[in-house]
Amino acid sequence: DTGVSQNPRHKITKRGQNVTFRCDPISEHNRLYWYRQTLGQGPEFLTYFQNEAQLEKSRLLSDRFSAERPKGSFSTLEIQRTEQGDSAMYLCASSLETGANSPLHFGNGTRLTVT
Amino acid sequence: GESVGLHLPTLSVQEGDNSIINCAYSNSASDYFIWYKQESGKGPQFIIDIRSNMDKRQGQRVTVLLNKTVKHLSLQIAATQPGDSAVYFCAETVVYDMRFGAGTRLTVKP
Repeated sequence: DTGVSQNPRHKITKRGQNVTFRCDPISEHNRLYWYRQTLGQGPEFLTYFQNEAQLEKSRLLSDRFSAERPKGSFSTLEIQRTEQGDSAMYLCASSLETGANSPLHFGNGTRLTVT
Repeated sequence: GESVGLHLPTLSVQEGDNSIINCAYSNSASDYFIWYKQESGKGPQFIIDIRSNMDKRQGQRVTVLLNKTVKHLSLQIAATQPGDSAVYFCAETVVYDMRFGAGTRLTVKP
């Protein structure tokens, strides 16, 4: 299966610690997205890359959050000084720019629990 | 069975019946819409999409209807099966910006 891969699947950390998540998109996809999802809610947009360029960041993405996609392939999302409110599922998605909209393909997410 | 988006987040249907899941979207500039299915512990899975220049699109056992006048989207599932039990999200898109609704939980009773 060459779908979107996210690691780790689960992460438990103590408040104040830093965490980093990794996303490997579908290989030919040049667009990569990060979303956050809390229980009972739809995914909320965090940020978007086209190749290695981060083109958009949500207001939800505080300065404790940083995302990178250094070579236009995999991406990392780091959360510094984690807070209990950061507990959520972090979803990565990718798509192929075709000149028209195309669906996002999601990974199975990283579930973060901050204790 | 039929749901009314955010106001009735749970829909329960009998196996074999048709299901209708509704969604009211917010941005009149949205030009691309997608329905996703999400099972517990997994990421959203693409079901069907529709562009704003269409009002209906059919897939295998699924049909999406788009009414731009009232900013309404629906997903019809024919002959609902137990494997269809999941949370269903509609998503609206302007350029690259895809936004999701809160979802409807579909439960299929055997």
